[in-house]
Amino acid sequence: EVQLLESGGGLVQPGGSLRFSCAASGFTFSSYAMSWVRQAPGKGLEWVSAISGSGGSTYYADSVKGRFTISRDNSKNTLYLQMNSLRAEDTAVYYCAKQRGVMTTVTDFDYWGQGTLVTVSS
Amino acid sequence: DIVMTQTPLSSPVTLGQPASISCRSSQSLVHSDGNTYVSWLQQRPGQPPRLLIYKISNRFSGVPDRFSGSGAGTDFTLKISRVEAEDVGVYYCMQATQFPLTFGGGTKVEIK
Repeated sequence: EVQLLESGGGLVQPGGSLRFSCAASGFTFSSYAMSWVRQAPGKGLEWVSAISGSGGSTYYADSVKGRFTISRDNSKNTLYLQMNSLRAEDTAVYYCAKQRGVMTTVTDFDYWGQGTLVTVSS
Repeated sequence: DIVMTQTPLSSPVTLGQPASISCRSSQSLVHSDGNTYVSWLQQRPGQPPRLLIYKISNRFSGVPDRFSGSGAGTDFTLKISRVEAEDVGVYYCMQATQFPLTFGGGTKVEIK
């Protein structure tokens, strides 16, 4: 059974940093691209970042480029998101999502974690 | 960026009746590999999104056959043939043909 478990969210002040993780199980982690998608309170979904299975290719939304860094440790089956220079508008539930098939790019997401809430506020 | 426009914003439906959601993209979603990476997700209250349909019309594993997807180019549709109580939630279309990936604004399906 595929499982994605996020951890590390919380309250952080504007300008601060936070790193959270997504522990994966039930599939060959290194074979699949992974993404982070966020959802501000009461709002829709926004794709944040993606990383290839090997970790060699990364992609970012313009709204987070230069501030967020996606990475993965395939030996630990874990996906990470390092968030710096946080702003109030980064407040959201952050979901990790698994690419559906073994592809060289992201095409769709077949499994999602339960999400972790990040609140940026003073 | 590709803009995905969903209509309607809200869809009150009688149990057992059909529902239809439209999604229009600001440019063609045909990928250079010939595929069209449009998917549909369902988000029930308090839950993460769940994949229903991928590549326009392919039902994901475990998805009831009352859900179907269709379309081509820039116009796509999700249909629920007979709405059941468990179908209440917000539905999103998503394109992955081009980075950045983008979502429609969502359509709330509720029971009349």
